Amino acid sequence: NAGVTQTPKFQVLKTGQSMTLQCAQDMNHEYMSWYRQDPGMGLRLIHYSVGAGITDQGEVPNGYNVSRSTTEDFPLRLLSAAPSQTSVYFCASSDANTQYFGPGTRLTVL
Amino acid sequence: GESVGLHLPTLSVQEGDNSIINCAYSNSASDYFIWYKQESGKGPQFIIDIRSNMDKRQGQRVTVLLNKTVKHLSLQIAATQPGDSAVYFCAVRTGTASKLTFGTGTRLQVTL
Repeated sequence: NAGVTQTPKFQVLKTGQSMTLQCAQDMNHEYMSWYRQDPGMGLRLIHYSVGAGITDQGEVPNGYNVSRSTTEDFPLRLLSAAPSQTSVYFCASSDANTQYFGPGTRLTVL
Repeated sequence: GESVGLHLPTLSVQEGDNSIINCAYSNSASDYFIWYKQESGKGPQFIIDIRSNMDKRQGQRVTVLLNKTVKHLSLQIAATQPGDSAVYFCAVRTGTASKLTFGTGTRLQVTL
């Protein structure tokens, strides 16, 4: 049981490039979410999904897209990266109450 | 909405002492509260949770206290060890199932 896995662990992009952050969970959780973590600001919710085929926006959704074609996977797409998207990104999956986090992806946009 | 704040960005304690980390929330409708521990370079790790129908819950060396009157919760760590050094976050659920609001975190430093 691997829990929540994220790839890549580190990524450097140039402004305007696109990329997908991968997230997978093997706990059969319906609820999954993406957060970004910036110094002094805690974790902020980007997008979340309550099940396959259903996604919704969180607190800071601009510049990010998500899809949920399976229960296991919840990728986060940056269509045109900007320096303001430099951050650490965490994926989480949840049972009825508690969210379990992946190890994170550290993204730098130059 | 909900806002969550922590009283101290950094807390320094001596090994063996007890640690108390505090958190305040704004919405009296909040019904579920979680403490997470985050070590450097890792994702947040669940420590302990408490529901709004309780005011105290104990785990292994950790206790969470909830005061709904003043909208405050605290995490107590007994006999703090060097391995407890990390950033501690509280998270609060209000309304929609599984959506959490996080505090900004307190960095616990354990000195020898």
